[in-house]
Amino acid sequence: DIQLTQSPSFLSASVGDRVTITCRASQGINGHLAWYQQRPAKAPKLLIYAASTLQGGVPSRFSGSGSGTEFTLTISSLQPEDFATYYCQQLSRYPLTFGGGTKVEIK
Amino acid sequence: EVQLLESGGGLVQPGGSLRLSCETSGLTFSSHAMTWVRQAPGEGLEWISAIDRVGSNTYYADSVRGRFTISRDNSRNTLYLQMNSLRAEDTAVYYCAKYQSPLFDPWGQGALVIVSS
Repeated sequence: DIQLTQSPSFLSASVGDRVTITCRASQGINGHLAWYQQRPAKAPKLLIYAASTLQGGVPSRFSGSGSGTEFTLTISSLQPEDFATYYCQQLSRYPLTFGGGTKVEIK
Repeated sequence: EVQLLESGGGLVQPGGSLRLSCETSGLTFSSHAMTWVRQAPGEGLEWISAIDRVGSNTYYADSVRGRFTISRDNSRNTLYLQMNSLRAEDTAVYYCAKYQSPLFDPWGQGALVIVSS
């Protein structure tokens, strides 16, 4: 199985900060990586797929990059509505797996 | 607008069974693979199962293989998850989602399953 390791698992940041979350895969996943945002008691929401393609309707302050086994999600200027938990997911092969999550909280 | 609505959750005793449904609207259901993901209380997301457009191919996580069965009825635009031999560790919110490789979108609002005596 492909393991995804997210770091950090928790981060505290202020409105306006630039935030970067890393996701490392235990083997190559051919760029088949997605990022989701989950607010408390809500369903996950797709932000980015294919490592760097922004889903329609998602603000441009979100961006994704990476290849091979290392990927990043960047929020260029954190907004109040961005305080949430973020998950990466690999869709390269079964079983499909998620990272452990990164909780972004207000400093 | 695409909508997915899960139902069938509830409280069940260990060893019991439950069937979840995911009714869809606003999409050509038969054109899309579908999937189930769960989230235990206070925990992260766990993918558990997927099914292709016609129901010919199904996939499972090791944690549920042999106990859970995914299926679909394209005439009813509905996805199902039959859960047997339930355990306390199956307690979670269960989400269905449209699976259009390489992404899950959109997701339903979730159905809570509690396995407890």
